[in-house]
Amino acid sequence: TQLLEQSPQFLSIQEGENLTVYCNSSSVFSSLQWYRQEPGEGPVLLVTVVTGGEVKKLKRLTFQFGDARKDSSLHITAAQPGDTGLYLCAGRSSGNQFYFGTGTSLTVIP
Amino acid sequence: DAGVIQSPRHEVTEMGQEVTLRCKPISGHDYLFWYRQTMMRGLELLIYFNNNVPIDDSGMPEDRFSAKMPNASFSTLKIQPSEPRDSAVYFCASSPRQGWGTEAFFGQGTRLTVV
Repeated sequence: TQLLEQSPQFLSIQEGENLTVYCNSSSVFSSLQWYRQEPGEGPVLLVTVVTGGEVKKLKRLTFQFGDARKDSSLHITAAQPGDTGLYLCAGRSSGNQFYFGTGTSLTVIP
Repeated sequence: DAGVIQSPRHEVTEMGQEVTLRCKPISGHDYLFWYRQTMMRGLELLIYFNNNVPIDDSGMPEDRFSAKMPNASFSTLKIQPSEPRDSAVYFCASSPRQGWGTEAFFGQGTRLTVV
């Protein structure tokens, strides 16, 4: 099992604040993805990063893949209540499995 | 496409009973994954199939768990006999052919409660 550790595990912030979530592993992944999961639903893909050092932006969300392709971060600017959910990073191995991180539960208070 | 379809959405069963969870992947997807999600352990990969063939079942916790994929449009995860510690949300996901950018499409999950 290739372990992906996320931090923080829980995060509660006020609307308008910025936040960063981290995903770290000792393993190298061919690609890394971020998913968001809402209660009662399965995870839904937000973004995929493939190249070491890559930065992708999705509106107020900025995703970065570490140079060594072992870690990633998700930065949210001016968080909104609609951003509330469980954020999961996932690494895809050469064997095509998706290994998911431990998750960060985000609550944005209006 | 209707997406990945899982049934039932909720299952409550007594310890010792057999439980069968069902999944219909997205048509044309070559990969199918079964995951288990709990608060303590997060989202764990149990087993995955490629073109209906089980590739890696190292995540299956015990012999009480078994999974089959008799054809490209159907898979089952069976627990026999079930135990209270099996209580969790079980997700099925499917993915297109190998590719770095491809994603896993998840069903809505089956919430299993073993009492």
